[in-house]
Amino acid sequence: KQEVTQIPAALSVPEGENLVLNCSFTDSAIYNLQWFRQDPGKGLTSLLLIQSSQREQTSGRLNASLDKSSGRSTLYIAASQPGDSATYLCAVISSGSARQLTFGSGTQLTVLP
Amino acid sequence: NAGVTQTPKFQVLKTGQSMTLQCAQDMNHNSMYWYRQDPGMGLRLIYYSASEGTTDKGEVPNGYNVSRLNKREFSLRLESAAPSQTSVYFCASGGGLAGETQYFGPGTRLLVL
Repeated sequence: KQEVTQIPAALSVPEGENLVLNCSFTDSAIYNLQWFRQDPGKGLTSLLLIQSSQREQTSGRLNASLDKSSGRSTLYIAASQPGDSATYLCAVISSGSARQLTFGSGTQLTVLP
Repeated sequence: NAGVTQTPKFQVLKTGQSMTLQCAQDMNHNSMYWYRQDPGMGLRLIYYSASEGTTDKGEVPNGYNVSRLNKREFSLRLESAAPSQTSVYFCASGGGLAGETQYFGPGTRLLVL
């Protein structure tokens, strides 16, 4: 059974810092990996999707990398801003279960002004 | 273009009562999903529907039923609510075999007393 872990569970940084969020998964046979953002009391917003054949994806100040062989992904946020404060969730779709996203429990990020 | 909509936003039930959570999407997606989110446990898949007329169990289906009414609508029913079903419920659409991202609704907060 696929398990997704995100460490740390919470992170607080001063504005302007570059930071890295970590995600690991136990079964490397994945179809794709996605990073989502969740604001308090809201739904999830997709940030980046990396297909299994890709190594990274970039969107603005966000860069996500994928290393399938080691079962790891990182989300890099450059020049963090208070508006980046949210919970960031990593999720994978395992091969052979093409529609089922398995989520990590998230990293709660606070960017201090 | 409303995306994914859910009703109600918040509901309080007594143990044993029944209710139906409604979900609709206007993005012409074939696949739709129901998740629950509990503190410290991330999101877990309850049921999904790969296309109109089909439904399949996810990770935590016990105590729930679903109906894919048409391509737009996917409802989740609790026949006899239990306190363990207190959670935030999210509907999503998209994804599927093409590996596209899933789009999430704003969620329904359910409290079972």
